[in-house]
Amino acid sequence: DAKTTQPPSMDCAEGRAANLPCNHSTISGNEYVYWYRQIHSQGPQYIIHGLKNNETNEMASLIITEDRKSSTLILPHATLRDTAVYYCIVRAPTGANSKLTFGKGITLSVRP
Amino acid sequence: ETGVTQTPRHLVMGMTNKKSLKCEQHLGHNAMYWYKQSAKKPLELMFVYSLEERVENNSVPSRFSPECPNSSHLFLHLHTLQPEDSALYLCASSQPGWPPTPFDGYTFGSGTRLTVV
Repeated sequence: DAKTTQPPSMDCAEGRAANLPCNHSTISGNEYVYWYRQIHSQGPQYIIHGLKNNETNEMASLIITEDRKSSTLILPHATLRDTAVYYCIVRAPTGANSKLTFGKGITLSVRP
Repeated sequence: ETGVTQTPRHLVMGMTNKKSLKCEQHLGHNAMYWYKQSAKKPLELMFVYSLEERVENNSVPSRFSPECPNSSHLFLHLHTLQPEDSALYLCASSQPGWPPTPFDGYTFGSGTRLTVV
């Protein structure tokens, strides 16, 4: 029972920013937004997570709307190696809703 | 290298065979997980171990038998599998805590690609 909605796919040009949207309109107050990605036939890789403030690390930026009902993962300068399935996951840090449950994700294709 | 190592990377087994998948983590995490990823399907959580105790079993058939002898090792014993069990089996570990850290968000191994013939 995925708590997030993502488009099935998108593409972007190499070197451009990739903005991946996610809707999580039923998010609870203690639930965080996590983003993972899975490159073909490998294990998922943690990218970033946030609660309500925007977050940035060496891989990406996470923009969460003020009402927390949606977020956007930004890869500032996409490369061919960023082609992967990106999962937006909502989870609580502890308790029954703390499991990492994957939906279908969004397939990002970076074109040369 | 993520710190979670799975062996073997590839496995082909007959339906009457018995085999085991191994997962090892040296991250100091106290929770470990088995996930299954069939072709074109989302990852499915199979088993959860916390402090070496099984805390969740998501209606997985008994032909899959997990074992967690210590906090660093996790096994998945396989017997009399079916062709539809062919999939990528992923192991993950985490260190639940508050506030959540990147390591709380699970670290995955590279998986074992299992083919049942």
